[in-house]
Amino acid sequence: GGIITQTPKFLIGQEGQKLTLKCQQNFNHDTMYWYRQDSGKGLRLIYYSITENDLQKGDLSEGYDASREKKSSFSLTVTSAQKNEMAVFLCASSYRGNNQAPLFGEGTRLSVL
Amino acid sequence: AQSVTQPDARVTVSEGASLQLRCKYSYFGTPYLFWYVQYPRQGLQLLLKYYPGDPVVQGVNGFEAEFSKSNSSFHLRKASVHWSDWAVYFCAVPNMGYKLTFGTGTSLLVDP
Repeated sequence: GGIITQTPKFLIGQEGQKLTLKCQQNFNHDTMYWYRQDSGKGLRLIYYSITENDLQKGDLSEGYDASREKKSSFSLTVTSAQKNEMAVFLCASSYRGNNQAPLFGEGTRLSVL
Repeated sequence: AQSVTQPDARVTVSEGASLQLRCKYSYFGTPYLFWYVQYPRQGLQLLLKYYPGDPVVQGVNGFEAEFSKSNSSFHLRKASVHWSDWAVYFCAVPNMGYKLTFGTGTSLLVDP
């Protein structure tokens, strides 16, 4: 079986800091996603990448950058961390095509002081 | 746009009792639908997925869900709940192809 590995598991940043989250998958999936999860809310899509060299904005892309370095890896950058921000960032991957059910990593928990 | 609504933020059941978690969808046509589970401090795990066809879908750990076009629903069921089912459950629908729209989740608490 495969696995989606997110690093780091916990991230503490300072206000205004640029922070990078990394995701690796060994399912050989074409498509990768970054979601943000806030307490009491559902998940919101930040960026996704249908194939290597592709990048698409989701519903919550403002304040973030993303990079698909290769088929197996997808990074997310918080361009300027907001004071008291707390959220979980979830990476996911799936086979290419509409209506796929992505598989998720364990998440990176972000706290901004 | 396609959407899903989970009307119950929290559900409490006794261990061994049956369970139903509700999901209502809004979709033009016949949707694909998914249920995910999130255990404490973990990512989401796929429980089951509905692709148009048989309305009853079997998932992992004894979970099943039934699609109803007339009720616009995709409720999750389990015949006998175990304490290890204590988690948050999310219903989701693909929206414009690659995007997945999630409900706000239902927290399941299990009374011993």
